[in-house]
Amino acid sequence: DAKTTQPNSMESNEEEPVHLPCNHSTISGTDYIHWYRQLPSQGPEYVIHGLTSNVNNRMASLAIAEDRKSSTLILHRATLRDAAVYYCILSYTSGSRLTFGEGTQLTVNP
Amino acid sequence: DTAVSQTPKYLVTQMGNDKSIKCEQNLGHDTMYWYKQDSKKFLKIMFSYNNKELIINETVPNRFSPKSPDKAHLNLHINSLELGDSAVYFCASRSWGGRYNEQFFGPGTRLTVL
Repeated sequence: DAKTTQPNSMESNEEEPVHLPCNHSTISGTDYIHWYRQLPSQGPEYVIHGLTSNVNNRMASLAIAEDRKSSTLILHRATLRDAAVYYCILSYTSGSRLTFGEGTQLTVNP
Repeated sequence: DTAVSQTPKYLVTQMGNDKSIKCEQNLGHDTMYWYKQDSKKFLKIMFSYNNKELIINETVPNRFSPKSPDKAHLNLHINSLELGDSAVYFCASRSWGGRYNEQFFGPGTRLTVL
């Protein structure tokens, strides 16, 4: 699977939008972009995924660059509960095999 | 209404012992996984079973043996425990097939080998 690069950490204030970037310059045409997050002392949980088009769901939005070499996870209004490690993952399969990197530790300030 | 459950939540044991961790999912999924998260927080896939058949087997010592008695269960047995086996082990499940299916993770089992 192709590699992703994410900032080690980011900070946000409560109720403000958060944009979490991910670079994946070696992405292949069949790679899905997956985002999972891991809250403290919990297992990872699915956030969102996309292939080529921008995606929205109840948790977040995923903006994918036109060349697919980068993407951004958008949390529209951060809450304290959103403090977690966010993982951007590429996989040529539709979610069957995930290779987790180091992720971005998001801190949300009250 | 726990979707993916693991037992025990904590496991403290001595080097050289044999232990098992159990995982059950009530989501009707046909694919299950074991991941290991070490002290540096890297999360690595170990095994995956689809319909009780092993489909992913990463480079894991053969002291680790997964067993899937049915589609809803995937247990992990570890022989001759070593200090380096100390980690948090996560089970996950997923529905195979279809356009996209996310993985659902359990709460983890923290294994400490003394």
